[in-house]
Amino acid sequence: NAGVTQTPKFQVLKTGQSMTLQCAQDMNHEYMSWYRQDPGMGLRLIHYSVGAGITDQGEVPNGYNVSRSTTEDFPLRLLSAAPSQTSVYFCASSPRRQETQYFGPGTRLLVL
Amino acid sequence: SQKIEQNSEALNIQEGKTATLTCNYTNYSPAYLQWYRQDPGRGPVFLLLIRENEKEKRKERLKVTFDTTLKQSLFHITASQPADSATYLCAPGPGAGKLIFGQGTTLQVKP
Repeated sequence: NAGVTQTPKFQVLKTGQSMTLQCAQDMNHEYMSWYRQDPGMGLRLIHYSVGAGITDQGEVPNGYNVSRSTTEDFPLRLLSAAPSQTSVYFCASSPRRQETQYFGPGTRLLVL
Repeated sequence: SQKIEQNSEALNIQEGKTATLTCNYTNYSPAYLQWYRQDPGRGPVFLLLIRENEKEKRKERLKVTFDTTLKQSLFHITASQPADSATYLCAPGPGAGKLIFGQGTTLQVKP
């Protein structure tokens, strides 16, 4: 099993550009989440999904969209990038009715 | 609002000693609490989960306690090694993908 994979590893965007951060898991997990991690702020939940077709907002959802068309994939879209979205983004998944989160390796995003 | 506090200052200890990290939470009553380890440039990795009806849980050199009255969890690493140097995150949770993390405490074990 590859676990949770994220692409790209690193991305530089200009203000106003859009992009999609990819996340995939091969463990057949129902639950998937996106977090951002900033120095001194810890991990903050952006969006999460409890299954295909079901998503909900986390703590800091503004500026981000998600969709979950399959169990495996949970992409995060930045519609119009802003410097405040410079961060490291982590995708995580967890088995149905269990709480342990399995994290991907992260995507480092720099918005100029 | 729910709040989680971990020591923001790094914890520096000598190899072989016991490291103790603290996690305090307020304004909610989690059914369980998790601890994760994060190395620089990597995603967090799950270590231990303790439930509200468990006072203590052990895994090899790791020990976690959970005091629901004090709203506190302690994370111990006995016989610490330089390889234990990392940031440790606590996450008191309700589950279902909506897990809230503390800011983490950085542990540095010196040889």
